Amino acid sequence: AQRVTQPEKLLSVFKGAPVELKCNYSYSGSPELFWYVQYSRQRLQLLLRHISRESIKGFTADLNKGETSFHLKKPFAQEEDSAMYYCALDYNTDKLIFGTGTRLQVFP
Amino acid sequence: EAEVAQSPRYKITEKSQAVAFWCDPISGHATLYWYRQILGQGPELLVQFQDESVVDDSQLPKDRFSAERLKGVDSTLKIQPAELGDSAMYLCASSGGLADEQYFGPGTRLTVT
Repeated sequence: AQRVTQPEKLLSVFKGAPVELKCNYSYSGSPELFWYVQYSRQRLQLLLRHISRESIKGFTADLNKGETSFHLKKPFAQEEDSAMYYCALDYNTDKLIFGTGTRLQVFP
Repeated sequence: EAEVAQSPRYKITEKSQAVAFWCDPISGHATLYWYRQILGQGPELLVQFQDESVVDDSQLPKDRFSAERLKGVDSTLKIQPAELGDSAMYLCASSGGLADEQYFGPGTRLTVT
């Protein structure tokens, strides 16, 4: 069965430090993966999707099929990056399964 | 900027009572989703509509949950009777078509006492 695993509930870093939020997936088909973000008191929103292969707010994520991973990275964290981050897998025509989320805290 | 609307934002109800949530998707969005998010977990898809038709409700507990989208626009999710384990955030999302981004509403936080 399909599954998304985010092993870290909380990731704390200082401003300017590199960030890597881990995401591993289990899926027998061709995966389509996303990162969603929820800032404090805001609604859940799409951050990026792997097929776009773009950088959003300095974040990038590369799909590694060999390691079944889709880690989210940013070289220099900013305080405004503090939020809840969810990795999601499209397993069947726009049906998403989400991971449990990682809270990123960026300290000044 | 168009947004998905949900009401109420908060709902407290007693066990065994009926409760209903409403969602108004972004205008023109044919696909509508209801998710449940239990504290500490990610959203879980309950039901997916394409226009007024249910595409997937395999994760919807049909003995107590029902969802409708009668005119293919706004939607209602109902729980009857509510149980303590139903306490969660209920999220609505909409998208314009296949492979399109899902836009989420602010959610309805349900507390069952």
